[in-house]
Amino acid sequence: AQSVTQLGSHVSVSEGALVLLRCNYSSSVPPYLFWYVQYPNQGLQLLLKYTSAATLVKGINGFEAEFKKSETSFHLTKPSAHMSDAAEYFCAVSGPIIQGAQKLVFGQGTRLTINP
Amino acid sequence: DGGITQSPKYLFRKEGQNVTLSCEQNLNHDAMYWYRQDPGQGLRLIYYSQIVNDFQKGDIAEGYSVSREKKESFPLTVTSAQKNPTAFYLCASTRSGNTIYFGEGSWLTVV
Repeated sequence: AQSVTQLGSHVSVSEGALVLLRCNYSSSVPPYLFWYVQYPNQGLQLLLKYTSAATLVKGINGFEAEFKKSETSFHLTKPSAHMSDAAEYFCAVSGPIIQGAQKLVFGQGTRLTINP
Repeated sequence: DGGITQSPKYLFRKEGQNVTLSCEQNLNHDAMYWYRQDPGQGLRLIYYSQIVNDFQKGDIAEGYSVSREKKESFPLTVTSAQKNPTAFYLCASTRSGNTIYFGEGSWLTVV
């Protein structure tokens, strides 16, 4: 079974500062890992995904995440925060793809606030 | 434009009433999903379907029902048996286990 823990339900950073959103996972099989972003009253948009290729994954909007198997972590970072990054961020884990279906297990989300 | 369309965006349900949320996709995706989102919580899987005329329960299927008569459509019915239906509902789809894409969501409120 898979599970995800996002450390910190709310993170606040200044504009231009480093963004670090933490995600730890548990999986009995090699995981697929994802970060999604959600703006108010909208659906989820994929930021990036790890599927057992390179451990450092680059995504959209300047975000990246590093898969660390020894730490069971997949933290999301961005070197310089922008006001438009304010949103809810979800980490998710998936096990093997079975008959074309992939069941994602989500963390509880981290709300990112950017201070001017 | 290709995408996932959910309707309505906002829906109000009276006690004891069944309501249906629509989800349509024109991405030619095989698998479709319904998730429920509550404030301060992550998304929880209600039902998913891998092919037409087949679907499986997710983690919180009680009080919900679905159908998959067409590849493009995966409606969700919230029945009167669902005692706490007020939430944000998200439909999603994927082709052959690739990236899962989400619709814009539907708000359901009990009045």
